Amino acid sequence: GAGVSQSPSNKVTEKGKDVELRCDPISGHTALYWYRQSLGQGLEFLIYFQGNSAPDKSGLPSDRFSAERTGGSVSTLTIQRTQQEDSAVYLCASTQGGGRRETQYFGPGTRLLVL
Amino acid sequence: RKEVEQDPGPFNVPEGATVAFNCTYSNSASQSFFWYRQDCRKEPKLLMSVYSSGNEDGRFTAQLNRASQYISLLIRDSKLSDSATYLCVVRNNAGNMLTFGGGTRLMVKP
Repeated sequence: GAGVSQSPSNKVTEKGKDVELRCDPISGHTALYWYRQSLGQGLEFLIYFQGNSAPDKSGLPSDRFSAERTGGSVSTLTIQRTQQEDSAVYLCASTQGGGRRETQYFGPGTRLLVL
Repeated sequence: RKEVEQDPGPFNVPEGATVAFNCTYSNSASQSFFWYRQDCRKEPKLLMSVYSSGNEDGRFTAQLNRASQYISLLIRDSKLSDSATYLCVVRNNAGNMLTFGGGTRLMVKP
């Protein structure tokens, strides 16, 4: 079946603009994660959604970052007033139930460049 | 100190060589451990989970040392296609969050 998809694949924006990144998880997966990966760095956890529970937002770096998950499926990560240090690859991952040993399936990422 | 630390490499090895990577983690309450592989400009993909007793999958062997808080990955008979970045991943005791190491880059040369 289809994997995790993300859009856009690339985004170039000007400093100060808002951007929205979209993630479509694998159908039926209840857990969804957002990460970002800066050039040559490891992945940094941003936010986690599990079913109808309140999201774990502990990784969001500032209040300019927010995320929603509508209908338990598609998620949107919004970055307001973008800064150059926001430039990174934003990766979304999903798992079937969020269990500890479940594999996280990653989408291809959105490459964000803030000029 | 980073929560999960890896030697960034690169490790340059000839085909057929055996290579080992280590990873250390700081949270003693960590519950689950994994190795992910990430090819250049691609998303990470699970390579293997790491079990307390150690586990093997073909040419790959993973081991966990809880007392010393480190995880290792051994690759035998390296192939050109093994060239990638290997990410050490630790799941916290709440089970919600994966913490990724910065990755170790492996380059296998002919």
